[in-house]
Amino acid sequence: GAVVSQHPSWVICKSGTSVKIECRSLDFQATTMFWYRQFPKQSLMLMATSNEGSKATYEQGVEKDKFLINHASLTLSTLTVTSAHPEDSSFYICSARAAGMNTEAFFGQGTRLTVV
Amino acid sequence: AQRVTQPEKLLSVFKGAPVELKCNYSYSGSPELFWYVQYSRQRLQLLLRHISRESIKGFTADLNKGETSFHLKKPFAQEEDSAMYYCALSGRGGYQKVTFGTGTKLQVIP
Repeated sequence: GAVVSQHPSWVICKSGTSVKIECRSLDFQATTMFWYRQFPKQSLMLMATSNEGSKATYEQGVEKDKFLINHASLTLSTLTVTSAHPEDSSFYICSARAAGMNTEAFFGQGTRLTVV
Repeated sequence: AQRVTQPEKLLSVFKGAPVELKCNYSYSGSPELFWYVQYSRQRLQLLLRHISRESIKGFTADLNKGETSFHLKKPFAQEEDSAMYYCALSGRGGYQKVTFGTGTKLQVIP
């Protein structure tokens, strides 16, 4: 199957700083990318959907100004957690789908963010 | 609104016993249903999808539109099946978001 790569796999940052997470589709064009957040022993919670070249659509309750999403190309989307706080510590996962009907969503390996 | 319900957080079965992981959904329109699996320390990966109607690793799932269900079944559980299983739903089209259920942990007892 296709490969989606996330970087970094884990990051520790100080409270108040910003952190950028990259998501790349390595061998296909991802017209749509999704960002999820997963708390320990819980399911994936969709944060936002981004289509290449347009603004992301955020789910209810997700702060747009805190979680900045950029999808500037068909192979790269970034999530920036701005002014991070300890409650932002979580596992962030990206997913990518190609255009067309019935396309499969491929997942990155996830990024463990710890804010201290 | 689209919603996926997996009623069981944990399902424990003995090796060789049949497995059924339940999934019910809510969606206005024609959804696409998936089962994803996450083995320990690995990323999520697609197990099967209803449109392909294929069996992967012995697992099958049939979409029942009347009951809005997409239960995952396997006749004989194996130890390597132990993992987290997520039922997911999407509208048709690559731009549609994928919504996940809360997941069921399958534990196969030797």
